[in-house]
Amino acid sequence: AQSVTQLGSHVSVSEGALVLLRCNYSSSVPPYLFWYVQYPNQGLQLLLKYTTGATLVKGINGFEAEFKKSETSFHLTKPSAHMSDAAEYFCAVSEGYTGNQFYFGTGTSLTVIP
Amino acid sequence: NAGVMQNPRHLVRRRGQEARLRCSPMKGHSHVYWYRQLPEEGLKFMVYLQKENIIDESGMPKERFSAEFPKEGPSILRIQQVVRGDSAAYFCASSPQQGATNEKLFFGSGTQLSVL
Repeated sequence: AQSVTQLGSHVSVSEGALVLLRCNYSSSVPPYLFWYVQYPNQGLQLLLKYTTGATLVKGINGFEAEFKKSETSFHLTKPSAHMSDAAEYFCAVSEGYTGNQFYFGTGTSLTVIP
Repeated sequence: NAGVMQNPRHLVRRRGQEARLRCSPMKGHSHVYWYRQLPEEGLKFMVYLQKENIIDESGMPKERFSAEFPKEGPSILRIQQVVRGDSAAYFCASSPQQGATNEKLFFGSGTQLSVL
């Protein structure tokens, strides 16, 4: 069975500071891992995903995440926060390429302080 | 090319009424997924449909909920005799191919259902 845990439902960082959003997963099969972002009044937008290959994945808007199998983690980072990064972030796991559904975490709301 | 369109954005119903949520997939997309986001919870899978077929409804409550994706027109998520616990944001996603992990999966902005 697949599940996702996002530690910290609310994270606040200063503009220019490092962003670190935590995600741990459990999966009975090799996982496919995702980060989605949701801006106010908008749908979910794919930030990045890990399927196979390189464990450090780069996404849009300067975000990246590293798949660490030994730690069952897929934390999202960005070196320098911008005001425009304020949003809700969701980590998700899927049952391989043909899986029909995501298992989402409960989300982390990121606030950027000027 | 318009994105995934969901309407209405906000829907208010009284207990016992019916709620109909619509999802128009992106042009060329024949696969639709519905998710529900309850307060303080992550998105939960409800149902996966292809044109005229329900492929996976393992996340759908057994009673009062139904979904369809007709040959013509939008996908409809129907909730009969709504209760307060149905209040949530309902998201639709569409894709041109099978597999929720493909890069051509796009989400709509959701419908916020409030049951009074």
